[in-house]
Amino acid sequence: EVQLVESGGVVVQPGGSLRLSCAASGFTFDEYTMHWVRQAPGKSLEWVSLIYWDGSNTYYAGSVKGRFTVSRDNSKNSLYLQMNSLRTEDTAFYYCAKQTITGYYFFDYWGQGTLVTVSS
Amino acid sequence: EIVMTQSPATLSVSPGERATLSCRASQSVSSNLAWYQQKPGQAPRLLIYGASTRATGIPARFSGSGSGTEFTLTISSLQSEDFAVYYCQQYNDWPPLTFGGGTKVEIK
Repeated sequence: EVQLVESGGVVVQPGGSLRLSCAASGFTFDEYTMHWVRQAPGKSLEWVSLIYWDGSNTYYAGSVKGRFTVSRDNSKNSLYLQMNSLRTEDTAFYYCAKQTITGYYFFDYWGQGTLVTVSS
Repeated sequence: EIVMTQSPATLSVSPGERATLSCRASQSVSSNLAWYQQKPGQAPRLLIYGASTRATGIPARFSGSGSGTEFTLTISSLQSEDFAVYYCQQYNDWPPLTFGGGTKVEIK
């Protein structure tokens, strides 16, 4: 059974930093591109970032580019999101999501999310 | 960036009735469109990809259609467990991958 478990969400002050983690199991992690998607409370979904199966390529939404860094450790079946210079508008549930094997960029499994609150 | 617009924002439907949800793209996304269902406090669940292919385990009452810029998700006979928020997502042109604003299907 595929499982994605996010952790690391806390309350942080504007300008602060945070690292989110996503522990993956139930599939061959190092064969899949992985994503972060966020959802502000009561709002729609916003794609944040992706990283290729081998970490060779990363992409970001314009709203986080230069502030967030995605990485992975395939030996630990783990995905990470380093978040710097946090803003109040970064407050959201952050989901890690597994891309499908098809090579197309949609998601067949999601974690339950971790809440990041940016507030003074 | 491709903007995805969903309508209506809220759809009130009685159990057993048909629900039709719309998703429009600001430019053609071919058939590279997915639909997700999200219930309160839960993560999204993949329903449809390729505009019309049901994901594994998705009941046949869910169907998707369309291509280019106009897409439809139809739930043929609403069950109690179908009341949720539905999102479309394009994956034709990225970054960024983009989602619609969602349609909430509520009990009439």
